[in-house]
Amino acid sequence: EVQLVESGGGLVQPGGSLRLSCAASGFTFSSYWMSWVRQAPGKGLEWVANIKQDGSEKYYVDSVKGRFTISRDNAKNSLYLQMNSLRAEDTAVYYCARDLIAAAGERFDPWGQGTLVTVSS
Amino acid sequence: SSELTQDPAVSVALGQTVRITCQGDSLRSYYASWYQQKPGQAPVLVIYGKNNRPSGIPDRFSGSSSGNTASLTITGAQAEDEADYYCNSRDSSGNHPWVFGGGTKLTVL
Repeated sequence: EVQLVESGGGLVQPGGSLRLSCAASGFTFSSYWMSWVRQAPGKGLEWVANIKQDGSEKYYVDSVKGRFTISRDNAKNSLYLQMNSLRAEDTAVYYCARDLIAAAGERFDPWGQGTLVTVSS
Repeated sequence: SSELTQDPAVSVALGQTVRITCQGDSLRSYYASWYQQKPGQAPVLVIYGKNNRPSGIPDRFSGSSSGNTASLTITGAQAEDEADYYCNSRDSSGNHPWVFGGGTKLTVL
């Protein structure tokens, strides 16, 4: 079964840091781009960052550039998101998702169950 | 950056057909994918590409596209289809790889 499981969320003070992890199983992790997508409480989905198979290319939404770093460890089948200088507006459920770039159509599939990050004093 | 626009809310009578739309410049270059999200759950892919359904998605879900508009159609809506629906595509503006629509809350009456 193809599966993604996030961990590492929690309560952090403004200006603090947190590292999210996503454990992948059931597929060849090193063959796929991977993304983080977040959802603020009561709001829609927002793509945050993605990373190429070998980690050589990374892209970020403007609001997190310079503060968040996406990385991966293909030997451990794991995706990470290091979040620094956190702000209240970063409060959200963070999902990891597999990017599928194919002739049949680009999409995110599957998604993890999400991990909640709350930035508050 | 490119944007995808969805109606915030749509309603449909049980057993009737409903179309949820998504508009944006990126859709002239890329197909949309569609995700269903129920309260407290992660999004689930329901349609991608020209009109492809992942395994396990009922065939009452279908997709189409014309110009800058993509549509998700539910033919014979069921009570369990009540959810938020998000469209998504690659971003043709070149600023970011991906873009999401704001989501449509579907109510089944």
